[in-house]
Amino acid sequence: EDQVTQSPEALRLQEGESSSLNCSYTVSGLRGLFWYRQDPGKGPEFLFTLYSAGEEKEKERLKATLTKKESFLHITAPKPEDSATYLCAVQTGRSNYKLTFGKGTLLTVNP
Amino acid sequence: NAGVTQTPKFRVLKTGQSMTLLCAQDMNHEYMYWYRQDPGMGLRLIHYSVGEGTTAKGEVPDGYNVSRLKKQNFLLGLESAAPSQTSVYFCASSRSAQETQYFGPGTRLLVL
Repeated sequence: EDQVTQSPEALRLQEGESSSLNCSYTVSGLRGLFWYRQDPGKGPEFLFTLYSAGEEKEKERLKATLTKKESFLHITAPKPEDSATYLCAVQTGRSNYKLTFGKGTLLTVNP
Repeated sequence: NAGVTQTPKFRVLKTGQSMTLLCAQDMNHEYMYWYRQDPGMGLRLIHYSVGEGTTAKGEVPDGYNVSRLKKQNFLLGLESAAPSQTSVYFCASSRSAQETQYFGPGTRLLVL
């Protein structure tokens, strides 16, 4: 069974304090790993897709990386508006329509 | 271009009542999905559709039915609501199975 574990469950940072969120996965035949951002009371908003180990993608203060066992979402010099829940999901070759989601990391950035 | 929209935004039902949640997308996507999100759990797939007129079961399909009569719409039905179906329901769509899924704003459902 495909499993996705995100850590930590919650992270509190001061504005400007860089950190990383982790998404570890146990799947058979990874097709893609997706990162989403979810604000309270809203739907997940797509951030990145990573397809192979060694791949990196960046968007503003966010950088996502992928290894064969995990992905990191690095947040550089975060601002309060980066506060949200960050969701990781994997898609496998066995059922390539389906996303298996982790439980998310709640990030709070204090001014 | 509204993306994915969901109706209604919030609903309260009594146990045993029925209702239909509507999802609409204007991106001409083939694939559409219904998920539920519960506290402490990841998003879970209820049903999905790979094109107009098709539907298939996901991870947690019991108690729900779906229909995709038009390519742009995907309906989720609860025939006899139960308190265990209290949740936030999200619809998503994608151009193909491997491509990014884009989510709607969600419907909060409370079953008393």
